[in-house]
Amino acid sequence: SYELTQPPSVSVSPGQTATITCSGDALPKQYAYWYQQKPGQAPVLLIYKDTERPSGIPERFSGSSSGTTVTLTISGVQAEDEADYYCQSADSSGWVFGTGTKVTVL
Amino acid sequence: EVQLVESGGGLVKPGGSLRLSCAASGFTFSSSNMNWVRQAPGKGLEWVSSISGSSSDIYYADSVKGRFTISRDNAKNSLYLRMNSLRAEDTGVYYCARYSENYRTLAYWGQGILVTVSS
Repeated sequence: SYELTQPPSVSVSPGQTATITCSGDALPKQYAYWYQQKPGQAPVLLIYKDTERPSGIPERFSGSSSGTTVTLTISGVQAEDEADYYCQSADSSGWVFGTGTKVTVL
Repeated sequence: EVQLVESGGGLVKPGGSLRLSCAASGFTFSSSNMNWVRQAPGKGLEWVSSISGSSSDIYYADSVKGRFTISRDNAKNSLYLRMNSLRAEDTGVYYCARYSENYRTLAYWGQGILVTVSS
């Protein structure tokens, strides 16, 4: 299977914008998905099919895609957005998760 | 409301076996692709295995192939993961997750169950 690479950490002040990238050779051919995971909790789907947002997910979360990189943007970051974020995509037989990014709200 | 509840975790010695269960409710289980995903302590998410609704299509991560077996009982709305020849590196929280046709990914997750492999 292939790899999805994310920055280990991102720090952002409240009200500012956080940008998390995810790079992988297969991303031009496969959709990407984003999850948020808070300590002791299961992952929650934030973005599906590169840019779509499930019902109930705040509009400040958005996704974009360009070539081998997909991006999760959190606009107007709130304290409650402090969490780990994972990108995900499919390979020939299963799922591949990114290395994960810890977002710290200063 | 979709509910997924894992059970069967615990402490097991290296080389031992364990069977995890996942009780599903709130959706048509028999037509849903189901998955196991795990997370080692302080580490990221790792997909483990998936099974189609009819059990006709089964896939495993290379790290567990030959040691783990996924199965399901649609009459009981239950998913299972039989884990043999367990190693220390199998330690972690194991999540049951349901694939959503609408979202085209694992949209629903259980709360997870801890498996610890240690002597």
